[in-house]
Amino acid sequence: NAGVTQTPKFRVLKTGQSMTLLCAQDMNHEYMYWYRQDPGMGLRLIHYSVGEGTTAKGEVPDGYNVSRLKKQNFLLGLESAAPSQTSVYFCASSRTATNQPQHFGDGTRLSIL
Amino acid sequence: RKEVEQDPGPFNVPEGATVAFNCTYSNSASQSFFWYRQDCRKEPKLLMSVYSSGNEDGRFTAQLNRASQYISLLIRDSKLSDSATYLCVVPPMRFGAGTRLTVKP
Repeated sequence: NAGVTQTPKFRVLKTGQSMTLLCAQDMNHEYMYWYRQDPGMGLRLIHYSVGEGTTAKGEVPDGYNVSRLKKQNFLLGLESAAPSQTSVYFCASSRTATNQPQHFGDGTRLSIL
Repeated sequence: RKEVEQDPGPFNVPEGATVAFNCTYSNSASQSFFWYRQDCRKEPKLLMSVYSSGNEDGRFTAQLNRASQYISLLIRDSKLSDSATYLCVVPPMRFGAGTRLTVKP
């Protein structure tokens, strides 16, 4: 019973490097989300998707891109990493957007030097 | 006004105490709400869903006041294992900053 799986768990990057975070869910959920969590800030929505092939901007989308080519996968890309993107990234999925809870992956800790 | 605001805490209570957190929201059209629990360096996990006036699950009670636009979480007979950060969520995707609870022996 995997639920939501995020890879990698940890990563250290140098400023300017690029990378992709992968999120996979096996619950056949339509909605998927990427959040970042910084100390004292709570979770902030980066991008989300309401279904395969669709993506939309969230609260803090700058510096990130996403893709949802398959229903079960939601990728978050950093084209040119910056120290301000040092954070813990959580992926989540839900059956609907409004009255169903979100299920979270266990997070990716990303440090940008 | 922020879309979702929570008591900042931290709350430090002895075992066995009753503690309550509040969460206010700005979107009067919201119909459902959630409380999540987040342990240190872990992912948020669903604690309770609130779809009408309230919900109760063992020692935990969530209440909704639509007129004043707030939800509350009450924890009775606190346990050491209740120590965590409690997040209020107003769909579709708005999280409060969380309230930290520490239960001490």
